[in-house]
Amino acid sequence: AIQMTQSPSSLSASVGDRVTITCRASQAIRNDLGWYQQRPGRAPKLLVYAASTLESGVPSRFSGSGSGTDFTLIISSLQPEDFATYYCLQDYSYPRTFGQGTKVAIK
Amino acid sequence: EVQLVESGGGLVQPGESLRLSCTASGFTFSAYWMTWVRQAPGKGLEWVANIKRDGSDLHSVDSRFTISRDNAKNSLYLQMNSLRLEDTAVYYCARDRTYCNGGTCYDLFDLWGQGTLVTVSS
Repeated sequence: AIQMTQSPSSLSASVGDRVTITCRASQAIRNDLGWYQQRPGRAPKLLVYAASTLESGVPSRFSGSGSGTDFTLIISSLQPEDFATYYCLQDYSYPRTFGQGTKVAIK
Repeated sequence: EVQLVESGGGLVQPGESLRLSCTASGFTFSAYWMTWVRQAPGKGLEWVANIKRDGSDLHSVDSRFTISRDNAKNSLYLQMNSLRLEDTAVYYCARDRTYCNGGTCYDLFDLWGQGTLVTVSS
């Protein structure tokens, strides 16, 4: 199975900060990667697919990039509703695998 | 309303079986692949299984888990056998919206249920 490694595991940031989360695959996965946000007690929500395509309705402060093994999710200006845990997911091969998550907390 | 509603979770003993259900409404269920994802308490997300629109193709992370569907009932199922303590988790069903571009297709989980809790304990 492909291993997905996110960094950092957690971070503290303030409203308005630029936040960068990275995800590394254990082998090349083209751009077969999505990003999901999960707020406490809630189901995950799709943010980005195909590494860089923003899901409809997702604010433009979110952006994704990368291909091959290295991927990035950027939140350009952190908003109060963005404090959550973020997961990457590879859909290149089975079994699908998630990263371990990055928790974004309030500083 | 477009939604997914899971049911069937509960407390079971190790070694027992359980079948989860997910009922879809508000969209054409038979037009989508469907997926199960789980989350152990305080842990991350884990993909469990998925199934093709007509049920002809399916994948699972564990042979103890069998995914199935009944398009006439707009329902998705997960049969879980020989349950272990480590199977304790919230189980989510999700709609798998396949997006294709330039010959490459991507799986997007664009609609999720609220989850159902399975607790395996003696």
